[in-house]
Amino acid sequence: AQSVAQPEDQVNVAEGNPLTVKCTYSVSGNPYLFWYVQYPNRGLQFLLKYITGDNLVKGSYGFEAEFNKSQTSFHLKKPSALVSDSALYFCAVRDKVLTGGGNKLTFGTGTQLKVEL
Amino acid sequence: EPEVTQTPSHQVTQMGQEVILRCVPISNHLYFYWYRQILGQKVEFLVSFYNNEISEKSEIFDDQFSVERPDGSNFTLKIRSTKLEDSAMYFCASSPDGGGNQPQHFGDGTRLSIL
Repeated sequence: AQSVAQPEDQVNVAEGNPLTVKCTYSVSGNPYLFWYVQYPNRGLQFLLKYITGDNLVKGSYGFEAEFNKSQTSFHLKKPSALVSDSALYFCAVRDKVLTGGGNKLTFGTGTQLKVEL
Repeated sequence: EPEVTQTPSHQVTQMGQEVILRCVPISNHLYFYWYRQILGQKVEFLVSFYNNEISEKSEIFDDQFSVERPDGSNFTLKIRSTKLEDSAMYFCASSPDGGGNQPQHFGDGTRLSIL
């Protein structure tokens, strides 16, 4: 069964500093990896994905993530954090492709990012 | 940018009552999903739907749950006889493909409170 771990419940960082939100995964086949962000009282907003190709993927709002197969990790990063980046971040994985489609996402428990002035 | 829309934003229902949560997926998407998030917990998959059929469902999605696409635009989740533990945020999502290349797009959710 596929699973995702986000080891940190909360990450605090000062504005302007780089941020990292950690994610490790477990799948039986090749992983499809996603990061989503959730602002208060809102749904999940897609940030970026890794399907295949370059290990460093770039997404929305200056975020990027590095896929590391040997460490089964997909950490989210941003070179310079903004106060407006404060939100709940979810890592998600999808592995096998069902015939007929509709493949579920398995989410981590989420990491609350707090960026302070 | 097109969005997934969900109604109502908040639903309060007495235990044992039926509830229907409504979603309008993005118009050219073919795959539809329901997830739920119990307060303070992670987002959990309930069901996926394609070509007017359920393609996958979780253990949570028991006989009390059903989904339907009654017309060309709406996608509904029905809970037949609600229980206290059904209280959660329910998210609808849609995607243009089911193969994994395209992300799922989520609505803002319906907060379901069972009294």
